[in-house]
Amino acid sequence: KNEVEQSPQNLTAQEGEFITINCSYSVGISALHWLQQHPGGGIVSLFMLSSGKKKHGRLIATINIQEKHSSLHITASHPRDSAVYICAVKASGSRLTFGEGTQLTVNP
Amino acid sequence: EPEVTQTPSHQVTQMGQEVILRCVPISNHLYFYWYRQILGQKVEFLVSFYNNEISEKSEIFDDQFSVERPDGSNFTLKIRSTKLEDSAMYFCASKILAGSGGEQYFGPGTRLTVT
Repeated sequence: KNEVEQSPQNLTAQEGEFITINCSYSVGISALHWLQQHPGGGIVSLFMLSSGKKKHGRLIATINIQEKHSSLHITASHPRDSAVYICAVKASGSRLTFGEGTQLTVNP
Repeated sequence: EPEVTQTPSHQVTQMGQEVILRCVPISNHLYFYWYRQILGQKVEFLVSFYNNEISEKSEIFDDQFSVERPDGSNFTLKIRSTKLEDSAMYFCASKILAGSGGEQYFGPGTRLTVT
């Protein structure tokens, strides 16, 4: 069983829709990261969370430590949001453990 | 805005050859990482580096791999004798703070193709 599970694996939405991507993890963590990977391969850090909620523009990330679950929400989605969204957790030590990613496609 | 840079963007090498992948972390960052992503798979941790020594390494990071910070700005990953299965995207990352503090900033990656 993977330590980090994301759902859905693939998500197609129409422009303007509200999008939710989920991440569940099985170990105790000190931080959770949401990352964005564009088709060219580059990775951009969106959020780092250890509790509660963070918002940046149209992106919102929440985490429930007791339930070992995090969600990434995108409001008013746009085709430029199309990318792979990756959840990664930091347990003990310095390493990040990554989920498989969610491929998001937003159609105009 | 400061960013992590990596060179080359794409490296093609023959099996058995040595390769060195180069990274320039953000200048005031203290913690450095290498990750790899085999095509179609998830990103995997390779190694973390702090204070001129490895602080943690994964099972993937065997004797064929080494890291170095030769001059205070570059951070390199060397693969001594490449295998076909080393073909992947290699990402460097850096951060300023210890432990869970501070976000990791990723470089654009080097695509390594071993033929």
